[in-house]
Amino acid sequence: DGGITQSPKYLFRKEGQNVTLSCEQNLNHDAMYWYRQDPGQGLRLIYYSQIVNDFQKGDIAEGYSVSREKKESFPLTVTSAQKNPTAFYLCASSIPLKETQYFGPGTRLLVL
Amino acid sequence: AQTVTQSQPEMSVQEAETVTLSCTYDTSESDYYLFWYKQPPSRQMILVIRQEAYKQQNATENRFSVNFQKAAKSFSLKISDSQLGDAAMYFCAYRSTMYSGGGADGLTFGKGTHLIIQP
Repeated sequence: DGGITQSPKYLFRKEGQNVTLSCEQNLNHDAMYWYRQDPGQGLRLIYYSQIVNDFQKGDIAEGYSVSREKKESFPLTVTSAQKNPTAFYLCASSIPLKETQYFGPGTRLLVL
Repeated sequence: AQTVTQSQPEMSVQEAETVTLSCTYDTSESDYYLFWYKQPPSRQMILVIRQEAYKQQNATENRFSVNFQKAAKSFSLKISDSQLGDAAMYFCAYRSTMYSGGGADGLTFGKGTHLIIQP
C-alpha cells in the first residue's frame, strides 16, 4: 500500500540531546513537509523540500534541521537548540502542481 | 502573510443532524486553495474536502460540502447526517499558489474546531 510512514511513534529526548524523526513515503511525491502541532493549536510549518537535495525553512525552523538525500525520505532532527521540543510532529508530502498534502501518522516527542 | 481563523473552539451536534463549521481567512492573493482536514483521536490528518479559489462552484464530497464566499473570505464546512465517526478536530487550511510548480510554502492552518457528536 502507498503511504507515508513516520517513526518512532513516541520519542523521548534528554536535555542537550539531538534526536531524529523519520519520515518515509512511497507515493513518488517530490515535495515533503514537516509540521509541528502543540496542544490546542493548528499545525505550523517547520521545513519543506520541493526536490531532492533542496529544502527551505518554514515559519518555525529555529532549533531544527533536515536533509533530503533521497526522494522517499525527509528526516527531521530536533537539536539541543530547540528549547521547547515537546509536541506532535507530522510529516506530509504532495505532488508539485497538485496542492493537496497527505499526512503521515505523526511522532509524539517528549522531554525527559 | 496569510492567516486562518476558526472562531468556534468546540461544536456539538446530535447524530443525524447537520452542523456547519466556520472558517475565515485573510489574504491579498486572488488565487489559492482551501482545505478542510479532519483529525480524529488517532491524530492522523485526513483530507475532507478542497476548494480552488478560481472555481465558483462549491466543492462537495458525499455528506460534506463547503460554502465558499471569496469576497467575504469565508470557507465554512457543512456536515449533513452527522455520524459518530465524524467526531474529531477539524482544521481549515490555506495554501498559496504563488510558487505553484514546486509545492511551495506549505499550508497555513487555523486552530481547529472540536466537533462532538451526541448519540
